[in-house]
Amino acid sequence: AQSVTQLGSHVSVSEGALVLLRCNYSSSVPPYLFWYVQYPNQGLQLLLKYTSAATLVKGINGFEAEFKKSETSFHLTKPSAHMSDAAEYFCAVRTQAGTALIFGKGTTLSVSS
Amino acid sequence: EAGVTQFPSHSVIEKGQTVTLRCDPISGHDNLYWYRRVMGKEIKFLLHFVKESKQDESGMPNNRFLAERTGGTYSTLKVQPAELEDSGVYFCASSPGRAPIRPDTQYFGPGTRLTVL
Repeated sequence: AQSVTQLGSHVSVSEGALVLLRCNYSSSVPPYLFWYVQYPNQGLQLLLKYTSAATLVKGINGFEAEFKKSETSFHLTKPSAHMSDAAEYFCAVRTQAGTALIFGKGTTLSVSS
Repeated sequence: EAGVTQFPSHSVIEKGQTVTLRCDPISGHDNLYWYRRVMGKEIKFLLHFVKESKQDESGMPNNRFLAERTGGTYSTLKVQPAELEDSGVYFCASSPGRAPIRPDTQYFGPGTRLTVL
């Protein structure tokens, strides 16, 4: 069965600092991996997705994630945090045979000035 | 292009009452999904429609939940009778293609926050 683990339910960074949100997955087949962001009072918005092409995936708003099969990881990074990045971030996996997304518990990112 | 819309945004009902949530997917999207997030837990899949047909309803918690998708357009999710543990945020998502042939992006609505007292 597939699963996703997000390490850290809450991450705090200063404006301009590196953002690193961790995601590890479990899947018996090559996965499709996603990062979504939810801003307050809004729906989930896709940041980026890995679909077995390039292992380094670039997304919107300066975010990127690297697929590492040996570590079963898909960590999300951004070199320099902005106040507007404060939100909840979700990592999700979908197998090639499946349709549903399996989500991690989410990580709330706080950015201080 | 309008995104996925959900109605109502909030609903507060008493235990034992009935509630119906509505989702309007992005126009032309064949796939429609329902998910739920109970407080403090992860977002969990409920079911998947392809047009008007239920493709996968393995996540539906019990027979108090009934989902329909009339004519392959909007969808409703009815909870009857509602229980306390049904409280949470119900998300709807849609995607264009014939999953799982290709990994369509699922576009999410803002969710309906359901509170059962």
